[in-house]
Amino acid sequence: KNQVEQSPQSLIILEGKNCTLQCNYTVSPFSNLRWYKQDTGRGPVSLTIMTFSENTKSNGRYTATLDADTKQSSLHITASQLSDSASYICVVSVFVAGNMLTFGGGTRLMVKP
Amino acid sequence: SQTIHQWPATLVQPVGSPLSLECTVEGTSNPNLYWYRQAAGRGLQLLFYSVGIGQISSEVPQNLSASRPQDRQFILSSKKLLLSDSGFYLCAWTSGGYEQYFGPGTRLTVT
Repeated sequence: KNQVEQSPQSLIILEGKNCTLQCNYTVSPFSNLRWYKQDTGRGPVSLTIMTFSENTKSNGRYTATLDADTKQSSLHITASQLSDSASYICVVSVFVAGNMLTFGGGTRLMVKP
Repeated sequence: SQTIHQWPATLVQPVGSPLSLECTVEGTSNPNLYWYRQAAGRGLQLLFYSVGIGQISSEVPQNLSASRPQDRQFILSSKKLLLSDSGFYLCAWTSGGYEQYFGPGTRLTVT
């Protein structure tokens, strides 16, 4: 069964600190892995997309890593800001027609001043 | 540029009433379209997807149905809402590439 597990479920950090969110998946056949940011009551917005051959990708203060052998990914947030408070969702795409996605449950991040 | 619209933004409906949520996409043609539901504090669950007009695939048997009357229009419906239908409904599209773009969502509360 295709699954995406994220940890921790929730996280509180102080503004300016760094943090790392984890994602483990058992999805086959693997196509790509995405990290989305979802503000409360809004639709998810893509941060990074990585294919099998990519092991790191950055988007500003967000850096995602992918280890396709161990089927693990991480999202590192540097110098956190209050606006980083949101849910971060790891999503793995299956390599089939229709671009099917398997969603993790998300990590709810709260950045406090 | 591409834009995705959903309406209404919020909806409160009594149990047993009908439902119609609409999603439209601008700036692209022949997109794949998706309906997701997100229960409070939970991950997104794929409900339906469509690869073309009139082509609907259901992922989860339930009280809902979907239709795609036009290339860039996707409608989520129910004849009789249940309490368990409450949630945040998201429409998304993709057009051949990896990226999947989400709409702003509709918050449905069934009372």
